[in-house]
Amino acid sequence: EVQLVQSGAEVKKPGESLKISCKGSGYSFTSYWIGWVRQMPGKGLEWMGIIYPGDSDTRYSPSFQGQVTISADKSISTAYLQWSSLKASDTAMYYCARLCCGSYPAYFDYWGQGTLVTVSS
Amino acid sequence: QSALTQPASVSGSPGQSITISCTGTSSDVGGYNYVSWYQQHPGKAPKLMIYDVSNRPSGVSNRFSGSKSGNTASLTISGLQAEDEADYYCSSYTSSSTLVFGTGTKVTVL
Repeated sequence: EVQLVQSGAEVKKPGESLKISCKGSGYSFTSYWIGWVRQMPGKGLEWMGIIYPGDSDTRYSPSFQGQVTISADKSISTAYLQWSSLKASDTAMYYCARLCCGSYPAYFDYWGQGTLVTVSS
Repeated sequence: QSALTQPASVSGSPGQSITISCTGTSSDVGGYNYVSWYQQHPGKAPKLMIYDVSNRPSGVSNRFSGSKSGNTASLTISGLQAEDEADYYCSSYTSSSTLVFGTGTKVTVL
């Protein structure tokens, strides 16, 4: 059974750093892109970026380029999303999801449960 | 890249059919047959309902169908049921080799 399990909720102060995780199981972690999706409170889904754990090829949405870093450790089947200096506007639910399939992997077929990040002074 | 445009809300009575539109450009929806649709209930993670314009994943009801014409994709829900009340988002592959989501549509079952 394919599963993506995300790390727990975080409460941070502005300016702090943070790294959240997404552990994949039940499939070949290095053979599928993993993406991150932001959902701000009461708002829609926003595509942040994706990583291919097999070779760490990474692509970012222009809106998130330079604002976050996506990485992966294939030895433990885990992808990460990190911030070096959080802002209050980073408060949101963050989902990881597996990108499927073929020559143009273009849809998320499995999703994590979400990680709620709250940034407040 | 701008979000794809969806109506903010669509409603229908039980048993009726409704259609949600998703409008993009020739650089995304119009340029590729890689449109997908997601259902999201409050407090839950999104769920894939349609991929590659019109394909249903295993386990998704055949009441859900997708299509595309030019720069606009559509999701149709037939035989509307109370459990279909949720937010729906479209997504498309883009010419930048990225993805973009739609603005989201709240479906209300009257």
